[in-house]
Amino acid sequence: AQSVTQLDSQVPVFEEAPVELRCNYSSSVSVYLFWYVQYPNQGLQLLLKYLSGSTLVESINGFEAEFNKSQTSFHLRKPSVHISDTAEYFCAVSDCGGGSYIPTFGRGTSLIVHP
Amino acid sequence: SQTIHQWPATLVQPVGSPLSLECTVEGTSNPNLYWYRQAAGRGLQLLFYSVGIGQISSEVPQNLSASRPQDRQFILSSKKLLLSDSGFYLCAWTRQGNEQFFGPGTRLTVL
Repeated sequence: AQSVTQLDSQVPVFEEAPVELRCNYSSSVSVYLFWYVQYPNQGLQLLLKYLSGSTLVESINGFEAEFNKSQTSFHLRKPSVHISDTAEYFCAVSDCGGGSYIPTFGRGTSLIVHP
Repeated sequence: SQTIHQWPATLVQPVGSPLSLECTVEGTSNPNLYWYRQAAGRGLQLLFYSVGIGQISSEVPQNLSASRPQDRQFILSSKKLLLSDSGFYLCAWTRQGNEQFFGPGTRLTVL
């Protein structure tokens, strides 16, 4: 069985400040890791993913996440946030061995960027 | 490219009325399909998933049902809605093990 823990339900931050959204997971098998973003009244969109290779992955809008196998973490960071980054962020894992059809999502972190 | 559609976008229904939400996917074949629900201020709850036509797996007991009459069509239904069925319903598809692609969602309010 897999589980995903997003420790912070809400993260308030001022514009242009750095931010880190934490994600820890547990799994008995190797996993793929994902961050999704959800803007109000919309579906989720993939922000970035780790499948293999470099443990540091980046998105086109300045976010990055680092896969840390020893700490079973996949924290999301951005050095300088914008008002438009205000959204709900979900961390997710899936079984890369194909043993399960069901990804596991965290409960989400609401990022609130203040001017 | 692949596209996923959901309709309607919003729906207001009285308690006890039936429900039918539709999801269709374009540009891919034999996808895994999923129905999720988000209650206000809460995370994603997986309701159903399907790995093929007529194959439905339910994740939680409830008064909802799902059907997959065609390869790229996934329908969520109820015979009698409850107040607790209110929420934001999301359809998604995936290739096994990889990222999910989500539809725009349906906002259901049961009064």
